Amino acid sequence: NAGVTQTPKFRILKIGQSMTLQCTQDMNHNYMYWYRQDPGMGLKLIYYSVGAGITDKGEVPNGYNVSRSTTEDFPLRLELAAPSQTSVYFCASSYGVSSATFFGQGTRLTVV
Amino acid sequence: AQSVTQLDSQVPVFEEAPVELRCNYSSSVSVYLFWYVQYPNQGLQLLLKYLSGSTLVKGINGFEAEFNKSQTSFHLRKPSVHISDTAEYFCAVSGGETSGSRLTFGEGTQLTVNP
Repeated sequence: NAGVTQTPKFRILKIGQSMTLQCTQDMNHNYMYWYRQDPGMGLKLIYYSVGAGITDKGEVPNGYNVSRSTTEDFPLRLELAAPSQTSVYFCASSYGVSSATFFGQGTRLTVV
Repeated sequence: AQSVTQLDSQVPVFEEAPVELRCNYSSSVSVYLFWYVQYPNQGLQLLLKYLSGSTLVKGINGFEAEFNKSQTSFHLRKPSVHISDTAEYFCAVSGGETSGSRLTFGEGTQLTVNP
């Protein structure tokens, strides 16, 4: 059981470039999330989805976009990368409101 | 809206000593409370959760936490730590049945266990 899989694990982008962070889960979870983690700041919610075709903004959505065409996949798109987007990004999923949230291994992104 | 405050950013302890990691929360609705652990270069994994019922909850690896509604706290404890407990610990809250499953995290507490 793979759980939540993120790719790539590491990436360096130049300012203004775009990229997509891939996320897939094999647990048939309806809820999926994208968080970013910055040192000393905890995790901040970027976007989330409660099911295929439904997405909504979290706490820090500016500069990002998401889509949820299937239950399994929840890619995060960065358009026009900026140094402020240098961070570690985590994709996560959960079954329901009282369930554990399962996290991927993270993507370490550096924008230079 | 809810928020979480972890009162200590770093906690150094010696092996086999007890430890308490402190967490306070604020919310206008009933909440669910969680503790997650993050080992270096890994994602987060659930240690324990409080949903309702008994205020003392036990988790994996010998950790436990006590929910105190009057003090809006959810402190994490372990009676005797090991070197392998060195990690970052995050307290988190969700809004429960009325507000969905989105987690709000505290800023984290780095626990370092020294020999």
